[in-house]
Amino acid sequence: DQQVKQNSPSLSVQEGRISILNCDYTNSMFDYFLWYKKYPAEGPTFLISISSIKDKNEDGRFTVFLNKSAKHLSLHIVPSQPGDSAVYFCAARTNAGGTSYGKLTFGQGTILTVHP
Amino acid sequence: KAGVTQTPRYLIKTRGQQVTLSCSPISGHRSVSWYQQTPGQGLQFLFEYFSETQRNKGNFPGRFSGRQFSNSRSEMNVSTLELGDSALYLCASSFMQGGQPQHFGDGTRLSIL
Repeated sequence: DQQVKQNSPSLSVQEGRISILNCDYTNSMFDYFLWYKKYPAEGPTFLISISSIKDKNEDGRFTVFLNKSAKHLSLHIVPSQPGDSAVYFCAARTNAGGTSYGKLTFGQGTILTVHP
Repeated sequence: KAGVTQTPRYLIKTRGQQVTLSCSPISGHRSVSWYQQTPGQGLQFLFEYFSETQRNKGNFPGRFSGRQFSNSRSEMNVSTLELGDSALYLCASSFMQGGQPQHFGDGTRLSIL
């Protein structure tokens, strides 16, 4: 039962263009969403997050959009740079209360390649 | 500011052995979570520790256990290793229990022969 899905295993983009990474979820109890970037031989690095009470959050070149009715979120990177080439994971936290907040459920990841 | 430190980076064991992995959180962070990453299952939550107590647990067998010390450092133990335990084990820390975002270390790559 995969509650967080990233249906595109890979994405290839030209430098300077927009990269759009997508994520779908099934659990309506998720209330907080995060995007992480991972380079080979390194741990995931936090990029940006969004609470379920918002539909958009921006941080520099990174913007996350949340569509709760569609249970869909996306990460936009504008403009894309070759250094953005990495695996991107979306993750979600459940609002089941109590001690559940510490558990993140991850998607399978999308490999982004930005060509010079 | 030092990040999350995991030791060792690489480990090779044989079936039936046990292993202990170590994690030092970011200074001031009191919550430590552990995740297993495999090609087939992706990143899966193992457990979270806060104030030396396990607060949350994922769907892993009892062979996987952990503990947290008074300085917030954490260890994870896997007993009776199986081939399927070969994975990257990641530790993440946050300031408080359930706090987000979690900040990850570079992981311990465990290979079972």
